[in-house]
Amino acid sequence: GESVGLHLPTLSVQEGDNSIINCAYSNSASDYFIWYKQESGKGPQFIIDIRSNMDKRQGQRVTVLLNKTVKHLSLQIAATQPGDSAVYFCAENNAGNMLTFGGGTRLMVKP
Amino acid sequence: DAGVTQSPTHLIKTRGQHVTLRCSPISGHKSVSWYQQVLGQGPQFIFQYYEKEERGRGNFPDRFSARQFPNYSSELNVNALLLGDSALYLCASSFIRTGNTGELFFGEGSRLTVL
Repeated sequence: GESVGLHLPTLSVQEGDNSIINCAYSNSASDYFIWYKQESGKGPQFIIDIRSNMDKRQGQRVTVLLNKTVKHLSLQIAATQPGDSAVYFCAENNAGNMLTFGGGTRLMVKP
Repeated sequence: DAGVTQSPTHLIKTRGQHVTLRCSPISGHKSVSWYQQVLGQGPQFIFQYYEKEERGRGNFPDRFSARQFPNYSSELNVNALLLGDSALYLCASSFIRTGNTGELFFGEGSRLTVL
């Protein structure tokens, strides 16, 4: 498949370990944040979202943490699997689903 | 259920040419957005259309234009192509435009290469 990013920061983890992917956002007025997963040759896929009135939200094997004080988001993936290998983007939804994406992090899972 | 479909999947153009990219949203979705993703970067917002009207525009030159049809499908047009227009062009649809509860569903994209 085609690579979605050749010069992205890379996080390499062992299968079964937990992964933490970090993201800094720019607009202090942003009130909704989303994490996307993008596999090679595919479009971004929604993982989990969080509103600014929350500081933590959990999904299946994923948790998003929001620190508005320092404008920081993190995505935690529990028991990382080979299928989790992809590029992960955070995005701010400033108004009406017009998203501002971060630069992305490549997650590589070693078997 | 069919997701967001885009065509063509890949295309090659030369500098100065024009390109039209097409997008069909998920059935029932009335909002379509376009994003440009240059290799190694996150997607950048280009346009949003809702009910056939432009509702938002990103920081792109006037060479970029789009429209939405009565069936909610959309076209992105780029004139006078430059080498820097080479990118993956992503279309996304959502059911609602306003507020933050409408999940955005992305298509697989159209990979444009400008030579």
